[in-house]
Amino acid sequence: ILNVEQSPQSLHVQEGDSTNFTCSFPSSNFYALHWYRWETAKSPEALFVMTLNGDEKKKGRISATLNTKEGYSYLYIKGSQPEDSATYLCAFPYGNKLVFGAGTILRVKS
Amino acid sequence: DAGVTQSPTHLIKTRGQHVTLRCSPISGHKSVSWYQQVLGQGPQFIFQYYEKEERGRGNFPDRFSARQFPNYSSELNVNALLLGDSALYLCASSLALGTPGETQYFGPGTRLLVL
Repeated sequence: ILNVEQSPQSLHVQEGDSTNFTCSFPSSNFYALHWYRWETAKSPEALFVMTLNGDEKKKGRISATLNTKEGYSYLYIKGSQPEDSATYLCAFPYGNKLVFGAGTILRVKS
Repeated sequence: DAGVTQSPTHLIKTRGQHVTLRCSPISGHKSVSWYQQVLGQGPQFIFQYYEKEERGRGNFPDRFSARQFPNYSSELNVNALLLGDSALYLCASSLALGTPGETQYFGPGTRLLVL
């Protein structure tokens, strides 16, 4: 059974706080790791595809890093805004499918 | 361009009934995958179709079936519905067969409630 784990399960922060959360995945047979942002009642939105060890990607105030040797990726949000409130999912490609973590629910209070 | 679309958005059925969910991929995408998401868990893979052929199947009973049409749209069918089939069903499309680094684009899902 392939385990993809995310922590914390949920996070409540104040507007302006910076935050980060973790995705852990199997370190063997790594090809890629996907991050998605999923706002309530909307489609999951692709944020990043991480492929190289040491990779760092950035999109506005959101960035992600990757460590394939130890099997984790961090997602950082700098200066959180209420519109960042969403569930953040990571997914590990395995064969023809994506194996998802359970997600981190982020709530940003104004 | 339109994203992935799914219909219906919500559905209520009773145990034992049958349901058909529909998905239209992004124009030009040939691969469609189906996922089931229950509260508190990440989406779970059900099927992948590419060029009208099943290319992957998750750990779901035979009550679940799917097909892909020549225009690359897809249907997910669930027979003999159980209470536990209540979930959000997501469809995702990608350009090709889904290499590990290829992004899958998701629709908004169909919320199924089985009473």
